[in-house]
Formats: sequence, C-alpha cells, structure tokens
Amino acid sequence: DTEVTQTPKHLVMGMTNKKSLKCEQHMGHRAMYWYKQKAKKPPELMFVYSYEKLSINESVPSRFSPECPNSSLLNLHLHALQPEDSALYLCASSQDPGSADTQYFGPGTRLTVL
Amino acid sequence: AQSVTQPDIHITVSEGASLELRCNYSYGATPYLFWYVQSPGQGLQLLLKYFSGDTLVQGIKGFEAEFKRSQSSFNLRKPSVHWSDAAEYFCAVGVNAGNMLTFGGGTRLMVKP
Repeated sequence: DTEVTQTPKHLVMGMTNKKSLKCEQHMGHRAMYWYKQKAKKPPELMFVYSYEKLSINESVPSRFSPECPNSSLLNLHLHALQPEDSALYLCASSQDPGSADTQYFGPGTRLTVL
Repeated sequence: AQSVTQPDIHITVSEGASLELRCNYSYGATPYLFWYVQSPGQGLQLLLKYFSGDTLVQGIKGFEAEFKRSQSSFNLRKPSVHWSDAAEYFCAVGVNAGNMLTFGGGTRLMVKP
C-alpha cells in the first residue's frame, strides 16, 4: 500500500481564521514533506520532516506552521493567510530521509483564502 | 544546484498515436530521476523512476523512459496514447541530501479523439 491521505479535500478560509491541514501515511516512512502548488506550476517544497524532526524549511512565512506529532502524521497549521496563499497543498512521504528515495504524494488539499 | 527542463509546455496527440515527452536535467553527480503524472486537481502519481542499472525503465500504464547520460535526458515514451492519458506530466530529479526533488515546469498532454 502506497497511500498518503490528506484532509480536508477542500478548505475555504478568511484571512483571520486559523485552520489545519492533515496528512497521514501508514507505510512506515520516516520522511514527510509539504509542498505548495499554484495553478499550472510544479510543486514547490515548503518543509521536510526527517524522523519527526523538522529538517528543511524553505524560507516559508511563519503564518504556515508545520507539526509532526508522530511518525505517521503531519499537520500544517494556517493562520492569518493571504489570498495569494490559495493553492493546492500536497503532502508526500518517503522511506528513508537520508538518501534519494521515491516520494509518494497524497491527493492534496485545495485551499482558498478569501 | 540541480535543474530540470521540460521544453514542451503543451503537447497534443491523437488517440492511438505514439508519445514522447522530453526532459533534460542538470546535475553534477549521478541523478535520481522520476516521472510523475497529475490529473486536474489531484495529487502526483509516480509513473517510473531511474536510480541505476538498465537505462531503459518500464513504468505503469504502459510508459517507459530512457536515461541518456551523454544527453542529460530522461524522455518519457508511450507507443499508443489513450484518452485517459490526458494530464500534466512532471519530470523530477532527486538528490541524496535531504531527498529534495527538483521538478521541471511540466508538460500538459492533450489527446484528440
């Protein structure tokens, strides 16, 4: 099973709201990733977690706050977002954080910020 | 730093025709190469990957790709396209440190009946 699940599928929020995106995998993968994808563009890496520790933050604004409560779960907490943050947010996971490995992607959360 | 170029932004082929999507990469060491497909509003699905060994790799849905080191290319091919293949295709290169993927800009495939 190579499934990564993400909830919710769609999210609409105002600029003053606080919301969270959730990602889950049960493949025993020890690396998890958040990507942001704007329309007609490739995914852009936001964060990487290795063994539940944040290992890479690609200069993402602090209004995005990642969290990895355990090895299967990854959250992205959102607060005071801007309309330009509207995008598809993709989660991915891979087996071994220390080497190049296949990343398996979830279906994404379509976020709209009003 | 590594980079990936997909020269064709859009490609239209007739159903049943053959397909080749181009991918060129720039990376100083041996690359790890991937092709992903994305249907509208969906996540990315892995089609195939190259890490080492045989330079012709087979993937899902009848796709294959050939790694050519001399040309820094990893082109994706399919002998006969089906209407369900219409989607966005991304080539990506991975590096060891942090397993970071660098994606190409994508190629949108349209299939004519």
